[in-house]
Amino acid sequence: DAKTTQPPSMDCAEGRAANLPCNHSTISGNEYVYWYRQIHSQGPQYIIHGLKNNETNEMASLIITEDRKSSTLILPHATLRDTAVYYCIVRPGNTGKLIFGQGTTLQVKP
Amino acid sequence: DADVTQTPRNRITKTGKRIMLECSQTKGHDRMYWYRQDPGLGLRLIYYSFDVKDINKGEISDGYSVSRQAQAKFSLSLESAIPNQTALYFCATSEGSGRVMETQYFGPGTRLLVL
Repeated sequence: DAKTTQPPSMDCAEGRAANLPCNHSTISGNEYVYWYRQIHSQGPQYIIHGLKNNETNEMASLIITEDRKSSTLILPHATLRDTAVYYCIVRPGNTGKLIFGQGTTLQVKP
Repeated sequence: DADVTQTPRNRITKTGKRIMLECSQTKGHDRMYWYRQDPGLGLRLIYYSFDVKDINKGEISDGYSVSRQAQAKFSLSLESAIPNQTALYFCATSEGSGRVMETQYFGPGTRLLVL
């Protein structure tokens, strides 16, 4: 499974867009990019996923570079409730396994 | 009611004791997983099951065993608990069955302390 690299922490002002980067330079053609978040020791929560096209849902947008070696999760209007650890995960399409790294701790500030 | 429930939510036990953590789901999913999380770290996969007759070891299965009693139930046992098994344990489910875009849904967690 491809490894991911994320900054350990980031700050964002409330109401502004939060852009969380992820490097996955060894990603292979059948691996998807998934984003989960974990709010203070609760169970991780699915946010979004993609293969090669950019994706958007009610929570966030996912921008994947053309070479697929990196991606960015965008929370368009961050709120205090978005303060959490954000995990970027890559995995083959149907293995079922998620390999979590240490993620990025996003602190949204008033 | 929550779709994925875990019992107990908190447990304190002593070294050498056998304990069982239970997970139940009402999502009708085939696949179930057990993870542990240590302070400041991400989640690590202990065991997973793709259906009632299927059990697979994850990254860190030593010292643990599991039982898939039914589609909706997946239990994790510590046969002889040791202090370094103190952690936060999460159960998760996913739809599987050939769907490529499967999402995992996590329970609220069980906080275990082994003295």
